[in-house]
Amino acid sequence: AIQLTQSPSSLSASVGDSVTITCRASQGISSNLAWYQQKPGKAPKLLIYDAASLQSGVPSRFSGSGSGTDFTLSISSLQPEDFATYYCQQFNSYSWTFGQGTKVDFK
Amino acid sequence: QVHLQESGPGLVKPSETLSLTCTVSDTSISTYSWSWIRQPAGKGLEWIGRIYTSGITNYNPSLKSRVTMSVDTSKNQFSLKLSAVTAADTAVYYCASEEYDSLTGYSHAPDWGQGTLVTVSS
Repeated sequence: AIQLTQSPSSLSASVGDSVTITCRASQGISSNLAWYQQKPGKAPKLLIYDAASLQSGVPSRFSGSGSGTDFTLSISSLQPEDFATYYCQQFNSYSWTFGQGTKVDFK
Repeated sequence: QVHLQESGPGLVKPSETLSLTCTVSDTSISTYSWSWIRQPAGKGLEWIGRIYTSGITNYNPSLKSRVTMSVDTSKNQFSLKLSAVTAADTAVYYCASEEYDSLTGYSHAPDWGQGTLVTVSS
């Protein structure tokens, strides 16, 4: 099964900062990667799909890039509502797998 | 936007079967395929499996021997059964829609239920 490894596991940032989270796949997955945001007590919310496509209604400060094994989620000008945990997800051989998550909190 | 709502017992005894139902609204259940995902407290997300409205299923290999999913198109619902539960199955269980692009083979979950906590305890 394909494994997804996110880095860092957590990071501290301030409002207005630019943030980058990395997701590495154990083997190539083309652009078959999505990113989700999860706030405490809430369901995950889809941000990015197909590695770089912005889900409808998601602010443009979120962007995704990458293909093959290395992917990034970038948040430009972090807003108070962006402090959350972020997960990457891939689909291969009929299965989904998720990264372990990256928690973004206040510095 | 698709709305999903999980329902079922919040407490299940060890060795018994966990049963949950997801009710889909604002779209026909035939529009998408459907998945279950769970999340133990303080931990990450684990995909349990998916069901197509044809009834075809795919399960996480690590749970396959204990999982059964079904769909009732007349009620716009799909269901999860997980047998022989232990404390390790205590988690928030989410149902989600799945968008699949047959040209690219890409898949993701645009809509999620709010989640339901299932505790396994005697």
